[in-house]
Amino acid sequence: AQSVTQPDIHITVSEGASLELRCNYSYGATPYLFWYVQSPGQGLQLLLKYFSGDTLVQGIKGFEAEFKRSQSSFNLRKPSVHWSDAAEYFCAVGERNRDDKIIFGKGTRLHILP
Amino acid sequence: GAGVSQSPSNKVTEKGKDVELRCDPISGHTALYWYRQSLGQGLEFLIYFQGNSAPDKSGLPSDRFSAERTGGSVSTLTIQRTQQEDSAVYLCASSLGTSRGADTQYFGPGTRLTVL
Repeated sequence: AQSVTQPDIHITVSEGASLELRCNYSYGATPYLFWYVQSPGQGLQLLLKYFSGDTLVQGIKGFEAEFKRSQSSFNLRKPSVHWSDAAEYFCAVGERNRDDKIIFGKGTRLHILP
Repeated sequence: GAGVSQSPSNKVTEKGKDVELRCDPISGHTALYWYRQSLGQGLEFLIYFQGNSAPDKSGLPSDRFSAERTGGSVSTLTIQRTQQEDSAVYLCASSLGTSRGADTQYFGPGTRLTVL
C-alpha cells in the first residue's frame, strides 16, 4: 500500500531564510505528487504538482519541488520565506492505477521568525 | 468564480446529538470528497463521490457516519449520536472528476465540530 511521510511536524525558519520541507513516499511506481498549503482557518490550496517530465516543478508563491526517484522524495523548497508563508504544508501522493486513490501526509507546520 | 463552500463554519453540539454538515462544490465538478482533520493527524479520508457511481465509503470510521450527494451537487455529511472523539474539522473538496489520483482538489474552509 502506498504511504507518504513528512518527517518534520514543525519547522521554524527566520524570515528571508531558505526553506526545505521533506516528503518521502512509498509506492511501486512513480505516483502523482502534490504539495498543498493550509493557512490558518482555511482549506487547502494546491501549491504545485508533478505528473511526469521535468523533475523540478515550479509552483505558486515562489515555491518549487524536486522529484527524486532514487530517493522516493518530493521535497518542497523556497529560496526566501516571507512571514505570510507561515502555514501547514501537506504532501500528497496519488496512485496511477485503477484504484486511483490519493493519500495525504500528516503535514508540516511552518513557523516564521521575524 | 465561487469556490467550495461549507456550512456551518462552526458547530457545537452535545454528546449524543445528530449533526449535519453541508458542502457546496464548485459548479461542474463531478467528484466530491470528505475528510476529517484532527490535531496532529493530518487529513483522514472519509468518503468519495464521483458522478453517478457508487460512493467509496471505505474511510467512514463507524456506521454513525453517513453522507449523501443529491443531484450530483450538494453533499451532506451526517454524524449520528455524536461522541467527543468526533470533534474535528471536517473538510470538503471537489474536483473535475477526470482522475481521482491526479485531479487537483479544491477545498472548502471546513466545519469545526465540537462535541461537548
